[in-house]
This record gives sequence, structure tokens and C-alpha cells, in this order.
Amino acid sequence: QLQLQESGPGLVKPSETLSLTCTVSGGSISSSSYYWGWIRQPPGKGLEWIGSIYYSGSTYYNPSLKSRVTISVDTSKNQFSLKLSSVTAADTAVYYCARPRQQLAIDAFDIWGQGTMVTVSS
Amino acid sequence: QSVLTQPPSASGTPGQRVTISCSGSSSNIGSNTVNWYQQLPGTAPKLLIYSNNQRPSGVPDRFSGSKSGTSASLAISGLQSEDEADYYCAAWDDSLNGLLVFGTGTKVTVL
Repeated sequence: QLQLQESGPGLVKPSETLSLTCTVSGGSISSSSYYWGWIRQPPGKGLEWIGSIYYSGSTYYNPSLKSRVTISVDTSKNQFSLKLSSVTAADTAVYYCARPRQQLAIDAFDIWGQGTMVTVSS
Repeated sequence: QSVLTQPPSASGTPGQRVTISCSGSSSNIGSNTVNWYQQLPGTAPKLLIYSNNQRPSGVPDRFSGSKSGTSASLAISGLQSEDEADYYCAAWDDSLNGLLVFGTGTKVTVL
């Protein structure tokens, strides 16, 4: 059974870069044609899609975050990662990694990590 | 940044039917399929409905989805206490080179 697990620092200083990794277990990130996504949720607020990456490396980013976001994949480690630069308090959120239910689809995420809380504060 | 509008809250007594609306535009719901998620407190979202009206395996048939034009709806029939959660619609938006947009979210309360 495929599982996703986010990891990374829970506290990031303003203006620095937030870095998170999603480790995929129970299956290979490169064995099938899936996009892998990052979604975040500020405390008490709704969901926001950050971006998605295909196992080969092609990416889609939310235009509102595109200038600060980099999503990459490391097939040798069965991981994909998120980097968000120049963070502010507005980037404080629970960050989820997720995979859609269908190959070649970007939405309809049916497998989610448990989420990791990242606080931006000095 | 939500471009899909949902009512902030909905409620019903056990056994009742509750409907949640999701209003969008021609660039999202009007031209792409809609998915619905259920989020219980403190947990990750769960895919409830995909492709407008399809239920993943394990989702009770009390949950149903529909779409018409630039709006979509999620219906919960035979409301149960465990249905108390936040519900979000989502759809791909073709504007700005494409992005996935979520609804504003609806809190369902079982009275």
C-alpha cells in the first residue's frame, strides 16, 4: 500500500527558504506515470495547491507562488521535494504531499501524507 | 486565492439530506471536472468524489456529486454524526497557464 510521509523543519525564519521532502513507500515514484503534488493549509483556513511534478521532472506551479517555488524529484531516493524561498508569516501552514488517483492526472488526490506543520517566525 | 465559492456552513439532523454548492466559472468548473474532499478535524483531506460524480472505493453511496454549467454540488443523504467535517470542492482552472483551485470550504455540522 502506497504511503507518503512529509519531513522537514517545523520552524523557518522569515526571508529564509522552506524545504520539505515527501518520501514515498510501498511503491516506486518512477514505476508509473503519476504527478506528485504539494498542497498547503494555513491554520484555520482552506486548501491551496502549491504545485505538482511528474516523475520525469516536468512541473506545474501555482502562478501565485511560482516565483518562489521549486519542486524536484529524486527517483533514486523515492522522494520529491518542495523549496519555497523568501518565506513570510503568510507561509505558515500545514504542508501536505499527495498523489492523484489516476496516472497523468494532476488533480483528484486520493493518497495523502499526514501533513507537517511549518511555522515562519524569528 | 479561492475562485470556487462555497457556503461557509451547512447543517442538518441525523438522517436528513444536506447539499453543498460550489460556484465557479467557465475556466474551471465550466470546462473541467470537479472533485470533492472531506476533511475531518486534524486529519488530511480524503477524496470523496472525483470526475463530478464518481465515488472512490469505500466511500458510502450516501455521498453524491453533480455538475451543471459552472456550478457543482455535493449531497449527503442520511446524514450521520461522522459526516461532521469540512468539505472542499476542487477543479483545474485553465487560466494563467493552468492551476488547481480549491473551494472556500464548507463546515458541515450534525445537529
